[in-house]
Amino acid sequence: DIVMTQSPDSLAVSLGERATINCKSSQSVLYSSSNKNSLAWYQQKPGQPPKLLIYWASTRDSGVPDRFSGSGSGTDFTLTISSLQAEDVAVYYCQQYYSTPLAFGPGTKVTIK
Amino acid sequence: EVQLVESGGGLVQPGGSLRLSCAASGFTFTSYEMNWVRQAPGKGLEWVSYISISGGTIYYADSVKGRFTISRDNAKNSLYLQMNSLKAEDTAVYYCARDQGLRYFEPDAFDIWGQGTMVTVSS
Repeated sequence: DIVMTQSPDSLAVSLGERATINCKSSQSVLYSSSNKNSLAWYQQKPGQPPKLLIYWASTRDSGVPDRFSGSGSGTDFTLTISSLQAEDVAVYYCQQYYSTPLAFGPGTKVTIK
Repeated sequence: EVQLVESGGGLVQPGGSLRLSCAASGFTFTSYEMNWVRQAPGKGLEWVSYISISGGTIYYADSVKGRFTISRDNAKNSLYLQMNSLKAEDTAVYYCARDQGLRYFEPDAFDIWGQGTMVTVSS
């Protein structure tokens, strides 16, 4: 089974500053045939269901602001919020969909400093 | 509007059963694979189960295998989760989530989520 880890557990960032969240998978989630990583990022605000932000490690879902970006390949991935806004306060989860059992990371809580 | 609405949650005693439903609307249900994901109070997300469009391919998390059964009724645009032999650790909000549908028979990311239904297992 693929195990997902995230760092840090939480981070406080000033408005307008950059937030960086790391995600690591215990084995590669790269499909060599397509050269795509089966890695997604979700945002969950209190009392709401998760929202898909990024898939294939770096493709923004429809309507997601371009301040959100994803990068990485193989086992190491990063979600970057280039200029934190008040509405970005949330818990962020990475997820691998390379193989079952599908797995989420433990989450990273982002707050305003 | 694309929408998923879960129902069927509630309080059940350990060892009991519950059937969750998820009603889909605003999209062609028969074009998408579906999933159940749960979230224990104050905890992270845990994938529970996946079902292909025809229902012929199904996967479960080890934590629910042999106790939970996922199914779908494409004529009713509905997804189900039959939960038997419930344990306290099954207490969670249960979400149904739509697979993006970029690839068939291979899970993709989850692009649409319902609001969830709460299941509490307690005596």
